[in-house]
Amino acid sequence: GAGVSQSPSNKVTEKGKDVELRCDPISGHTALYWYRQSLGQGLEFLIYFQGNSAPDKSGLPSDRFSAERTGGSVSTLTIQRTQQEDSAVYLCASSPGGALFNEQFFGPGTRLTVL
Amino acid sequence: DQQVKQNSPSLSVQEGRISILNCDYTNSMFDYFLWYKKYPAEGPTFLISISSIKDKNEDGRFTVFLNKSAKHLSLHIVPSQPGDSAVYFCAASDAQGGSEKLVFGKGMKLTVNP
Repeated sequence: GAGVSQSPSNKVTEKGKDVELRCDPISGHTALYWYRQSLGQGLEFLIYFQGNSAPDKSGLPSDRFSAERTGGSVSTLTIQRTQQEDSAVYLCASSPGGALFNEQFFGPGTRLTVL
Repeated sequence: DQQVKQNSPSLSVQEGRISILNCDYTNSMFDYFLWYKKYPAEGPTFLISISSIKDKNEDGRFTVFLNKSAKHLSLHIVPSQPGDSAVYFCAASDAQGGSEKLVFGKGMKLTVNP
């Protein structure tokens, strides 16, 4: 039954390393979003996938960040050459899309710590 | 530039009393507003929403009020219960403009004391 799942739940990495965060959306949801929440901040939009359309990458903070969504389902957020300021909780959400885009269902998040 | 602002980081109320959470926005194109609730170590969950064609939407103990001229909305919880203790996020979108993105505030931590 599933809701949105994310893995890993926690990730500790060293500065300069690459990390991959995974999101499994709710089956049938066409829209998938990545957000991050840094300490004391709100949810910052990163990237949005809708169906087969080109993703909206307008929220990605630098070219070290990229994301893919394979087969319209699972998504991977990749952060290359991690920096300490990348430490945050990374949240994935999915929605039915279209008129129901507001009904975003969130996963539990991945807490990333860059040492 | 924060388009959605929750200026109070926290609120503490007694069980049974009313909780009022406030949110201001700057983008006049926003026409759909939502509140999400987040418990620790969980993702946010949708609570209630309101379209700009309305000024009030009620769902059980939760009521959202929208004042478009003031670009202000508020969430009222009455009566408040200890299980309502969580972080509440206000979010907005430009739905008529075709945007399917939500802009979130920083959140407000609500504590309801038994």
